[in-house]
Amino acid sequence: DGGITQSPKYLFRKEGQNVTLSCEQNLNHDAMYWYRQDPGQGLRLIYYSQIVNDFQKGDIAEGYSVSREKKESFPLTVTSAQKNPTAFYLCASSPLPGQSPPGELFFGEGSRLTVL
Amino acid sequence: GDSVTQMEGPVTLSEEAFLTINCTYTATGYPSLFWYVQYPGEGLQLLLKATKADDKGSNKGFEATYRKETTSFHLEKGSVQVSDSAVYFCALAGGFKTIFGAGTRLFVKA
Repeated sequence: DGGITQSPKYLFRKEGQNVTLSCEQNLNHDAMYWYRQDPGQGLRLIYYSQIVNDFQKGDIAEGYSVSREKKESFPLTVTSAQKNPTAFYLCASSPLPGQSPPGELFFGEGSRLTVL
Repeated sequence: GDSVTQMEGPVTLSEEAFLTINCTYTATGYPSLFWYVQYPGEGLQLLLKATKADDKGSNKGFEATYRKETTSFHLEKGSVQVSDSAVYFCALAGGFKTIFGAGTRLFVKA
């Protein structure tokens, strides 16, 4: 079945460590996104990518980095510069506007990061 | 900038009760509007959508109508079930960004 796979589902990190969250999609979507979700808050956009080898900062990019070397993969690294990284991280993808109604997102099941 | 405001939760209802979750938006242009649902421990799933004014989105008994004059996209269901317990997010999309409301948690009691 087509979809988005995030791993790991749960991750624990010590302060000062970098961690990388994986996101893979087999939907042949051009655009991919990373969101952060905190309790009682909506989703906040970290980074997005419309095409391979290109990506843009979202609203809360500080302390995070991404790469887009393949169409199907968009890993997120949470660096030690991120002051409060404990959160639920969601990866999403979508076809570019023009290929379907704009903006419909397809989500993975999320990765929960806890800093010890 | 664009924004979405939805009613705060939690909302607690008995089974078979009528549900309304209010959502209003501020946007330039003519965005698409969405309702997503999130079950515990999972990612979001698209529940319904509307891409232009007066469109009605519907799915699984849920409905919402894109009201340009009141900039609203309220979610309704005539008879909720325990299995509808989840967090509901209103969202708008224009261009490459989707903007989400804070989410409304719904509890349905048997």
